[in-house]
Amino acid sequence: EPEVTQTPSHQVTQMGQEVILRCVPISNHLYFYWYRQILGQKVEFLVSFYNNEISEKSEIFDDQFSVERPDGSNFTLKIRSTKLEDSAMYFCASSENSGGPYNEQFFGPGTRLTVL
Amino acid sequence: GDSVTQMEGPVTLSEEAFLTINCTYTATGYPSLFWYVQYPGEGLQLLLKATKADDKGSNKGFEATYRKETTSFHLEKGSVQVSDSAVYFCALSEGGGADGLTFGKGTHLIIQP
Repeated sequence: EPEVTQTPSHQVTQMGQEVILRCVPISNHLYFYWYRQILGQKVEFLVSFYNNEISEKSEIFDDQFSVERPDGSNFTLKIRSTKLEDSAMYFCASSENSGGPYNEQFFGPGTRLTVL
Repeated sequence: GDSVTQMEGPVTLSEEAFLTINCTYTATGYPSLFWYVQYPGEGLQLLLKATKADDKGSNKGFEATYRKETTSFHLEKGSVQVSDSAVYFCALSEGGGADGLTFGKGTHLIIQP
């Protein structure tokens, strides 16, 4: 069964460093998403991406964040200069265009980012 | 803005007990409602959904009914198993396309044999 994969599973970085989190969405999907979950808090939407551009973003997704689909398979989240408060689990998701009232989002297992 | 509130965990039950996990929501429009489940070491998986009032979503013995009048979508199961131990997330989406999901904090369910 096709699935969303994410690498690495755990990333440790120093404050101020840049990190890139990688995701491989399901191959025929058209919409891509990033979410994060700070320990003990809600899963929060960061950004969605469609047709090679950002479709929606939350207020969390400020200038230090960027997303890219550098080739036909990968979808990346870059954090330019990490802060301690960026420590969280980051989930990637993808969905196809169902044409219905909603598109089921399929999630990856997450990348745990620890900023020291 | 939109929000989802669900009961705090952990919820600990014995095998074959009846399960209810409460979920209420606030939305500006007419959202679709979801329950996602996360097993240890895995990603979030869609458990069930409902897209309009009075719809009942069901899967794997779990059920939830979209109650517009009480803005609720409580998750129930008549007889839980040890394998149901996981974290359960209630979520909503205002529309299709690239709309992000709004999640609750998650409820950790522990089923003891």
